[in-house]
Amino acid sequence: GAGVSQSPSNKVTEKGKDVELRCDPISGHTALYWYRQSLGQGLEFLIYFQGNSAPDKSGLPSDRFSAERTGGSVSTLTIQRTQQEDSAVYLCASSSPSLDTQYFGPGTRLTVL
Amino acid sequence: GESVGLHLPTLSVQEGDNSIINCAYSNSASDYFIWYKQESGKGPQFIIDIRSNMDKRQGQRVTVLLNKTVKHLSLQIAATQPGDSAVYFCAENGSNSGYALNFGKGTSLLVTP
Repeated sequence: GAGVSQSPSNKVTEKGKDVELRCDPISGHTALYWYRQSLGQGLEFLIYFQGNSAPDKSGLPSDRFSAERTGGSVSTLTIQRTQQEDSAVYLCASSSPSLDTQYFGPGTRLTVL
Repeated sequence: GESVGLHLPTLSVQEGDNSIINCAYSNSASDYFIWYKQESGKGPQFIIDIRSNMDKRQGQRVTVLLNKTVKHLSLQIAATQPGDSAVYFCAENGSNSGYALNFGKGTSLLVTP
């Protein structure tokens, strides 16, 4: 693939439901990042995966948020018992082992009703 | 905590003029800086980056200037075009989250004909 892909592009859910967001990084990129962007705001770091190392979860806002990365490639961000304040665009980025430049996907717009 | 901020939330320029978008950062440990362009409904798109051992770097129609003394970063766009209209974010890697980027809130650039 040419770039980072994310699915779904839009997700509408009811308060209290669980959601899963998916990210496919650029092939060969060992680092993968999740960010959250609220309306009109900058990006807020959530979690970072680098190769086989333990992920940096320091940005996760609560224990309702979790993420995994299987086989060092695809990642899934899970939000349990969604709240209205979880509504935002969730962005995924990846970077190669030798460069710091992060390349972003198109994001998933999550709306919690 | 450490922060990245932008001097102006909006900037309006005429087509053909040069644009300058400014950014201040507070973390003296930051050694990597990057500018992204984000169009409506899309993920951030890499524009240009610079390391702290440089004070200027040029790309195609764009120049990034870094002044470490006053912790200031700027993006210059030459001969601004309507397609340059977007929100521009600066980011740096000096956060406590390792290689995760710390983003400013963004400057909206509007190019008028």
